[in-house]
Amino acid sequence: EVQLLESGGGLVQPGGSLRLSCAASGFAFSSYVMNWVRQAPGKGLEWVSAISGGGGSTYYANSVKGQFTISRDNSNNTLYLQMNSLRAEDTAIYYCAKGRLHDGYYGMDVWGQGTTVTVSS
Amino acid sequence: QSALTQPASVSGSPGQSITISCTGTTSDVGGHNYVSWYQQHPGKAPKLMIYEVSNRPSGVPDRFSGSKSGNTASLTISGLQAEDEADYYCSSYTSSNTLVVFGGGTKLTVL
Repeated sequence: EVQLLESGGGLVQPGGSLRLSCAASGFAFSSYVMNWVRQAPGKGLEWVSAISGGGGSTYYANSVKGQFTISRDNSNNTLYLQMNSLRAEDTAIYYCAKGRLHDGYYGMDVWGQGTTVTVSS
Repeated sequence: QSALTQPASVSGSPGQSITISCTGTTSDVGGHNYVSWYQQHPGKAPKLMIYEVSNRPSGVPDRFSGSKSGNTASLTISGLQAEDEADYYCSSYTSSNTLVVFGGGTKLTVL
């Protein structure tokens, strides 16, 4: 069964850091681009970042560029999102989502259940 | 403000058809055939319904269809069913300095 399982969310103070993880199973992880998408409480979906299958290409939303870093460990089938200098507006459910191809954007066909990040003092 | 514009809400009765629009620019919807649509029920993760404008993943009913004209993409749901009540989001590849843009979402109510 194809599955994505996020972890690492929690409560963090403004200015703090957090690293999210997404464990993948049931598919050839290194063959697919992987994404992070977030959803603030009561709001819509916002694409955050993506990384190509081999890890050589990374992409970021303007809202997180220079603040978040995406990475992947293909030997352990795990995707990461390092989040620094967190602000209240980063409060959201963070979803890990598998892209349909090795790189680029052609739709995201598998999603995890999400991990909640709350930035508050 | 989202990069792609969707109506906030649409509604229809069981058995009817509805269409949700998604308007962008030549940098995204109008310039590329990489529009996707997602369905999200309350408290659940999104689900891919349409990719590359008009393609359905396996398992998605053929009541769901997608199209595009100029800078506007559309999702049509025919033969509305109660379980179609959900939020729907469009997204597109963008040739700007990011990669992906989403619409603000449309709440579908089945009357």
